[in-house]
Amino acid sequence: KQEVTQIPAALSVPEGENLVLNCSFTDSAIYNLQWFRQDPGKGLTSLLLIQSSQREQTSGRLNASLDKSSGRSTLYIAASQPGDSATYLCAVSRWGTSYDKVIFGPGTSLSVIP
Amino acid sequence: DAGITQSPRYKITETGRQVTLMCHQTWSHSYMFWYRQDLGHGLRLIYYSAAADITDKGEVPDGYVVSRSKTENFPLTLESATRSQTSVYFCASSLEHTQYFGPGTRLTVL
Repeated sequence: KQEVTQIPAALSVPEGENLVLNCSFTDSAIYNLQWFRQDPGKGLTSLLLIQSSQREQTSGRLNASLDKSSGRSTLYIAASQPGDSATYLCAVSRWGTSYDKVIFGPGTSLSVIP
Repeated sequence: DAGITQSPRYKITETGRQVTLMCHQTWSHSYMFWYRQDLGHGLRLIYYSAAADITDKGEVPDGYVVSRSKTENFPLTLESATRSQTSVYFCASSLEHTQYFGPGTRLTVL
């Protein structure tokens, strides 16, 4: 059974700092991995999607990497800003010919202190 | 461009009542999903749909019913609500495996 964990559960950093969020999964047979952010009381916003054949994806100050063999993904946030404060979730999926389970991690709550 | 809307945003009901949560998307994405989010369990997939009239169970389907007569709508019905179904419910749609989420419905079952 696929299990997804995220470390740390919570993180507080001063503004401007670079930071890394971690996502681990137990079954390497994934189709893709997606990073989301969730603001309090809101839905999830997709940040980056990495296909299983890819090693990393970049969008602005965000860079996500994927290492299927070790079952790990990292989300790197450069020059953090207070507006980055949110909960960040990773999700692994295994589609194949039809949608299978999408398993979400529990999230990392990030606070960027001005 | 509204994207995905959910209604109602907040709902309080009583045990045993039927409740329907609505989800509407404006993009005509083929795939749609229902999740519930609970402290300690994270997000869990309830049902998903690959197209109109095609639905399938996710991880926690018991106690829920879905239908999809039109591509843009994917209602979720709790036929006889239980306290354990108190949760925040999210609808999502998918384009090329990127998922787009609605704002959620907070449901409380008394």
